[in-house]
Amino acid sequence: EAQVTQNPRYLITVTGKKLTVTCSQNMNHEYMSWYRQDPGLGLRQIYYSMNVEVTDKGDVPEGYKVSRKEKRNFPLILESPSPNQTSLYFCASSLKGRGLVHGYTFGSGTRLTVV
Amino acid sequence: DQQVKQNSPSLSVQEGRISILNCDYTNSMFDYFLWYKKYPAEGPTFLISISSIKDKNEDGRFTVFLNKSAKHLSLHIVPSQPGDSAVYFCAATYNQGGKLIFGQGTELSVKP
Repeated sequence: EAQVTQNPRYLITVTGKKLTVTCSQNMNHEYMSWYRQDPGLGLRQIYYSMNVEVTDKGDVPEGYKVSRKEKRNFPLILESPSPNQTSLYFCASSLKGRGLVHGYTFGSGTRLTVV
Repeated sequence: DQQVKQNSPSLSVQEGRISILNCDYTNSMFDYFLWYKKYPAEGPTFLISISSIKDKNEDGRFTVFLNKSAKHLSLHIVPSQPGDSAVYFCAATYNQGGKLIFGQGTELSVKP
């Protein structure tokens, strides 16, 4: 089944403890992206990647890191999480150009709580 | 600086009637616009898109209208069904789809 898989689905962590949220897609998509969803703010893009080893900042990149060493994986790294990073996170992927016509495919989300 | 805005947080419509969801944008460089639907505990799913060179695109019960001079787009759902109840996000892009900017979302409730 074609899908975007995020892990974990739920995570509670403490301030300052490094964590990684994994994202994997099995559709051979070039484009991958991370978003966070917060009440009243909609979905805000954190980072995106248009190909292997190519990443760019979205609108809210502060406090996050990403890497794209292989096409299928795009992990999101929080080196020192803070409570303001408590949010619902989504990973998404798309074929180059086709995302405009057919949209990105989103994962089911990761609910992160930083205490 | 919110480049894509959905000013109505919620909308309630009777089953069978038309639902109209609105979206405004400020960046004239946007060249593609998309609508997504989101149910609780799920990721957003793509609904319909429109290129900036068009003013209308239809897909079944869903039609998106684009007014470039007003920097405004709208999603029409006709007829509305209870299963359409969800949060709807509009999004815009200008970088071949890499950088995608979303609005705040509008929660649609379709009552039987």
